[in-house]
Amino acid sequence: DADVTQTPRNRITKTGKRIMLECSQTKGHDRMYWYRQDPGLGLRLIYYSFDVKDINKGEISDGYSVSRQAQAKFSLSLESAIPNQTALYFCATSDGLRDGYTFGSGTRLTVV
Amino acid sequence: QKEVEQDPGPLSVPEGAIVSLNCTYSNSAFQYFMWYRQYSRKGPELLMYTYSSGNKEDGRFTAQVDKSSKYISLFIRDSQPSDSATYLCAMSLDNNDMRFGAGTRLTVKP
Repeated sequence: DADVTQTPRNRITKTGKRIMLECSQTKGHDRMYWYRQDPGLGLRLIYYSFDVKDINKGEISDGYSVSRQAQAKFSLSLESAIPNQTALYFCATSDGLRDGYTFGSGTRLTVV
Repeated sequence: QKEVEQDPGPLSVPEGAIVSLNCTYSNSAFQYFMWYRQYSRKGPELLMYTYSSGNKEDGRFTAQVDKSSKYISLFIRDSQPSDSATYLCAMSLDNNDMRFGAGTRLTVKP
């Protein structure tokens, strides 16, 4: 099994729908992150969490919310999806030391 | 001006060539510098990690950080077709809230 698992891998949804992207990890890391990737813009941080009771907004949190259900699980929600939220979404984990981030394989989300 | 600038390419080289990938940044307080490699339909994976200034070598890969110029580089020697991927630079103040470049797409032709 992958260290960081994201579900679903692909999702097409309609404007205005609520959608949840899920992330689980077996790394045992405390820190978890949600990024979106857009062509030409790179990876941008949406939310991050240092433990179950700690949630922080990132660079582009508007229109998104998160839930840290357990050390191993961190979900991202779009309450009312809009087309400009069409992107590739990545979950990542870190132990805060010098080993960088471990990324999942991503969720490709299309909002029509 | 973006906080981290990276030429998106694409960059195409013949097998065996030396590849040079670069990023510039505006925040002089960045201390942690990384390079990630991302294959198509995969998440980024850490390739190189450097703290503060200097060089770091790992096999065919060398990372350089020049904080005075706010410029980082990744060199790939004896490039292989398997090196074909998008390379992302990343940097941060405190090993958290990493800021990424847009990525450079590299193709190594046999």
